[in-house]
Amino acid sequence: QVTLKESGPGILQPSQTLSLTCSFSGFSLSTSGICVSWIRQPSGKGLEWLATICWEDSKGYNPSLKNRLTISKDTSNNQAFLKITSVDTADTAIYYCARRGGYNYYWYFDFWGPGTMVTVSS
Amino acid sequence: DVVLTQTPVSLSVTLGDQASISCRSSQSLEYSDGYTYLEWYLQKPGQSPQLLIYEVSNRFSGVPDRFIGSGSGTDFTLKISRVEPEDLGVYYCFQATHDPWTFGGGTKLELK
Repeated sequence: QVTLKESGPGILQPSQTLSLTCSFSGFSLSTSGICVSWIRQPSGKGLEWLATICWEDSKGYNPSLKNRLTISKDTSNNQAFLKITSVDTADTAIYYCARRGGYNYYWYFDFWGPGTMVTVSS
Repeated sequence: DVVLTQTPVSLSVTLGDQASISCRSSQSLEYSDGYTYLEWYLQKPGQSPQLLIYEVSNRFSGVPDRFIGSGSGTDFTLKISRVEPEDLGVYYCFQATHDPWTFGGGTKLELK
């Protein structure tokens, strides 16, 4: 049974660094064809892909966040992480992690966590 | 960046009706490997998104056959025949052919 769960600080101040953790079970990030992505959603708005890390440690980032993102993983402990530096109020959102699997050349987000709300406020 | 334009933004239906959502891309979504990385997700109220369709027209495990994805190149459509109460929510198309990956703006399916 695949599950993912995000955790984060809840609230932080502008200019701080946001650190998010995705803890998962039912799969390994060392398995070929498995990746974990971070996606966010401001309240009442649409979805924005942020970053992806894969089994062989390849990484992809959304350049719209101007090099503020760092994604990493701890395979032994079944976790993936996302750091966002210099946050401001525009980073207030629900942050989701999702498994992206590659099966016979087909790729998709097949499992999502429930999301964690992050509020940036002074 | 690839822009995915979904229409309509909002769709009011009667249960049992057919619904159709368009997703138009600013660039062709066919990748050099011949695959088209266009997916559809449904976000029900208060929930995380869930996968419906991958690679344009393949239904994910457990997705009812009333959901039909079609299209190619830059024009894609999700059709829902015989809308049921559990189909209500916001539908997003998503592309992973070009970096950065992008979502459409969403289409809210609601009852008339």
